[in-house]
Amino acid sequence: DTGVSQDPRHKITKRGQNVTFRCDPISEHNRLYWYRQTLGQGPEFLTYFQNEAQLEKSRLLSDRFSAERPKGSFSTLEIQRTEQGDSAMYLCASSISGSRETQYFGPGTRLLVL
Amino acid sequence: GNSVTQMEGPVTLSEEAFLTINCTYTATGYPSLFWYVQYPGEGLQLLLKATKADDKGSNKGFEATYRKETTSFHLEKGSVQVSDSAVYFCALSEPRRGSSNTGKLIFGQGTTLQVKP
Repeated sequence: DTGVSQDPRHKITKRGQNVTFRCDPISEHNRLYWYRQTLGQGPEFLTYFQNEAQLEKSRLLSDRFSAERPKGSFSTLEIQRTEQGDSAMYLCASSISGSRETQYFGPGTRLLVL
Repeated sequence: GNSVTQMEGPVTLSEEAFLTINCTYTATGYPSLFWYVQYPGEGLQLLLKATKADDKGSNKGFEATYRKETTSFHLEKGSVQVSDSAVYFCALSEPRRGSSNTGKLIFGQGTTLQVKP
């Protein structure tokens, strides 16, 4: 068990470009979550999957954001036409669903939009 | 709606001092409660958790008790070390709605702890 991994760890892009992040969860975990964390704040929920189904999306997730988990394993988060306000740390977490569910986080992808 | 409030930081302590970081929550139903820690340049690590009222979570000398009557989950440690310097986040797992449990976490804003030798 290598834990949750995310790639890339850092991304610098210019405003208007598209970016895609990848998350590989712990192998037996059926749930996968995306959060966004800005400087000095706690993480905020963006969306989550149970297996390959996307079950909930936050109102924070504008139409420029899309997430997939095509085979119920890894997930991608794409941001189209990036804006400076998208600069943040994007965190992925995975878990096994249940009443005592505990999420385990990856190291995050830090995005800077110039 | 559901929310978590933490004491503002930074909290600066000398090594071996007693630590308390206050956390209170607002939730409908019965959430699970968590403390996560974030060391500089790293992701969030689970520190401890409690899933029902009066449960005490503990790990690495840290403790927190789920107090339903005061809706609190304060983090304590009897003797802090320089290596405990980090940002600490209190979080709740959104309670069940009907037969479903989204499991999504709602975090406080974080409390920075600085421990000086």
